[in-house]
Amino acid sequence: LAKTTQPISMDSYEGQEVNITCSHNNIATNDYITWYQQFPSQGPRFIIQGYKTKVTNEVASLFIPADRKSSTLSLPRVSLSDTAVYYCLVGAAGGATNKLIFGTGTLLAVQP
Amino acid sequence: NAGVTQTPKFQVLKTGQSMTLQCAQDMNHNSMYWYRQDPGMGLRLIYYSASEGTTDKGEVPNGYNVSRLNKREFSLRLESAAPSQTSVYFCASSGYRDLILSYNEQFFGPGTRLTVL
Repeated sequence: LAKTTQPISMDSYEGQEVNITCSHNNIATNDYITWYQQFPSQGPRFIIQGYKTKVTNEVASLFIPADRKSSTLSLPRVSLSDTAVYYCLVGAAGGATNKLIFGTGTLLAVQP
Repeated sequence: NAGVTQTPKFQVLKTGQSMTLQCAQDMNHNSMYWYRQDPGMGLRLIYYSASEGTTDKGEVPNGYNVSRLNKREFSLRLESAAPSQTSVYFCASSGYRDLILSYNEQFFGPGTRLTVL
């Protein structure tokens, strides 16, 4: 299992770009990198998933270097409503479900 | 579409009581999951069902049983509740994304807050 390490918390201000980095030194060849967002009292919500280089959707961008030992979730121009816990997960997209491990995540606090 | 629904939203039990948490999804997903989340912690997988008729243990299965009633429904049963099972329980489902069976994109329900006294 590829373990992930990410900061426990981060602070930002409205309108700033936020980058949350996750390290996964033991990532396997067939593993994908997935990020989830969780608001208080809600279930996690899938944000973005990638395998290598850069992936962008309407919510965020995911940057993955060539060695894939880390990844960076980038949130452009955050607002107060982006305050949440962000989880980085590594696992095979079509593989065994119990390889999907949620760590403690990164608590992002956005200030006015 | 309602997505993933869970009942009840809240429940208080006494030690030793039993109860069943219900989960249903309307996205025609093959796979369903039960997680628990303790305060300040990430989610831990209790059981999962890769397809109708199959169930497997996750990371923390002790004290729980599951039933995949049909493709839509996946229930979690606590036979004899203990205070250590006080937690928020989330059900999730996943299916195909871009023709690939993607376990990584899971859709979560709103959760059930369970307190065992």
